[in-house]
Amino acid sequence: QVQLQESGPGLVKPSETLSLTCTVSTASISSNIYNWNWIRQPPGKGLEWLGYVYYSGDTLDNPSLKSRVTMSFDTSKSQFSLKLSSVTTADTAVYYCVRGQNLAFDYWGQGILVTVS
Amino acid sequence: EIVLTQSPGTLSLSPGERATLSCRASQSVLSNFLAWYQQKPGQAPRLLIYGASSRATGIPDRFSGSGSGTDFTLTISRLEPEDFAVYYCQQYGSSPRYSFGQGTKLEIK
Repeated sequence: QVQLQESGPGLVKPSETLSLTCTVSTASISSNIYNWNWIRQPPGKGLEWLGYVYYSGDTLDNPSLKSRVTMSFDTSKSQFSLKLSSVTTADTAVYYCVRGQNLAFDYWGQGILVTVS
Repeated sequence: EIVLTQSPGTLSLSPGERATLSCRASQSVLSNFLAWYQQKPGQAPRLLIYGASSRATGIPDRFSGSGSGTDFTLTISRLEPEDFAVYYCQQYGSSPRYSFGQGTKLEIK
């Protein structure tokens, strides 16, 4: 069973950097068939893909975020992380860490609400 | 950029009825890499269908996906009370690599 758990501050000030970590419980975290994603959902709205990281460290982010995203992977801790810089109130959302396989998202964390205020 | 448009915005049906949800893409979806998710209030989305028509592990066979190119459909053959939720389609493409539709709310009539 794959489990993902987000952690980090629930409140961030405008213009600062949002930092989240996802801890993954699976023996296959180092497999190259998976990517590890961040997806967010503003309150009452839809889903937005932010980016992914492979265990190798390769990353890709959503151009709509204008290079504000940094992602990294720590195999030794079975964790991957997200940093989103220069946040505004528009970045208030539930942030999910998610495993990608077969070009879809099969395992999701429970989500963490981050408020920018 | 591929934009996914889901219809209807809200669908009101009764348990036992058949539900048909639509997802239309502004351009042809790469190799039918189209997925469907179910989200209930306060929960993370759950993968239902990937590759347009393959059911994810543990998904009941009353859920089915079909379509190709720009038009895709999620069908729930006989609604159970637990099926009332919001449904999202998602595509894999070039830029952004992944994107979602705006969602269809399936509510009890």
